[in-house]
Amino acid sequence: GAGVSQSPRYKVAKRGQDVALRCDPISGHVSLFWYQQALGQGPEFLTYFQNEAQLDKSGLPSDRFFAERPEGSVSTLKIQRTQQEDSAVYLCASTPESAGWAQPQHFGDGTRLSIL
Amino acid sequence: GQQVMQIPQYQHVQEGEDFTTYCNSSTTLSNIQWYKQRPGGHPVFLIQLVKSGEVKKQKRLTFQFGEAKKNSSLHITATQTTDVGTYFCADAGGTSYGKLTFGQGTILTVHP
Repeated sequence: GAGVSQSPRYKVAKRGQDVALRCDPISGHVSLFWYQQALGQGPEFLTYFQNEAQLDKSGLPSDRFFAERPEGSVSTLKIQRTQQEDSAVYLCASTPESAGWAQPQHFGDGTRLSIL
Repeated sequence: GQQVMQIPQYQHVQEGEDFTTYCNSSTTLSNIQWYKQRPGGHPVFLIQLVKSGEVKKQKRLTFQFGEAKKNSSLHITATQTTDVGTYFCADAGGTSYGKLTFGQGTILTVHP
């Protein structure tokens, strides 16, 4: 596809359940970012991958959050034992190169996660 | 950590009126990016500013970077209903790989 693809678009889970969110970046893009966007707020950084290496996970809010990108393409964000405060839109973005400070980020449509 | 403050939070205008959103930082920004997010959509890149005092135009949109590189603004002339959405500024220079620190955004509503 031409853009960043995320699935599912919507996810409803009960508190305490585990969820997995998928991101398919633009083909060939080296850098991949995950952001969390609460209602009415700007996206907040969660984690960064350069190919398969997770170089920055400083934004992950707790050890319940885990992300991987084993083959340097598709990435999965997993949240264990979900809590109501995890409800948000989770955005994935990619850029072609690793030196990304001067590059626009290409965002997917996000996964809207609702925890009941 | 680095924080980017954006005002106003909301702006309601009549179609044809102008609109401005402001972005401020307590520290010097190496570069700043602007994004637009339509309701229900994802952020879409608009522009990047790098140089002190830089001014860039895209049709009815004018972007400015302050002389001290601590503030930036986006001005839309003669708004149209297609301009509706949330406009975000983002500090893009905090890391070598381009991690973005977003402002809170300004929600623009345009009344026809």
